[in-house]
Amino acid sequence: DVKVTQSSRYLVKRTGEKVFLECVQDMDHENMFWYRQDPGLGLRLIYFSYDVKMKEKGDIPEGYSVSREKKERFSLILESASTNQTSMYLCASTLGGGNSYEQYFGPGTRLTVT
Amino acid sequence: AQTVTQSQPEMSVQEAETVTLSCTYDTSESDYYLFWYKQPPSRQMILVIRQEAYKQQNATENRFSVNFQKAAKSFSLKISDSQLGDAAMYFCAYRSARNAGNMLTFGGGTRLMVKP
Repeated sequence: DVKVTQSSRYLVKRTGEKVFLECVQDMDHENMFWYRQDPGLGLRLIYFSYDVKMKEKGDIPEGYSVSREKKERFSLILESASTNQTSMYLCASTLGGGNSYEQYFGPGTRLTVT
Repeated sequence: AQTVTQSQPEMSVQEAETVTLSCTYDTSESDYYLFWYKQPPSRQMILVIRQEAYKQQNATENRFSVNFQKAAKSFSLKISDSQLGDAAMYFCAYRSARNAGNMLTFGGGTRLMVKP
């Protein structure tokens, strides 16, 4: 079974703090993604990575950065957390290439910024 | 840019009955993939069903089936014999076949409640 894990289920941080969200997958997937999920807006792509040290901006990258030093690990960084970044963050991974491969999701991290 | 719209924020169904969740999308492309994902309360998102746009036959997975209308850009999900475990958020998603990064565009979601 594919397994995608995220470092925390719940996180509470203060405004201005630097926040790290970690994601690890164990199926040697090339592509990894970070989404944020907000009610009524569905999932919106923040960043994705198609290889080690490679990254591409998604639809809402402002205020976020990412790091992928190893194939199995993809980190999302909030350089200076703000209250409007309070949300559910989901990590996902999938095989590379063009096909109908499904994305496998982690359990999510609910981040509250106060 | 592609957009995906789920016009029903919430739906409810009686156990053992059938329910249909709606999804429409906007694209100028002819080759793409469509997905329905399920997110149970406090549990991980999982794939329910997928449809390749080049296939005319509607996909089916046990009690789940889709009605794919390519010309109308509509992709609805039908759940037959609804069970309590079907209660979840359901997301429709689109992926261009030209998108080697396998990025998905999601709709806003539909919360399905199942009444015993």
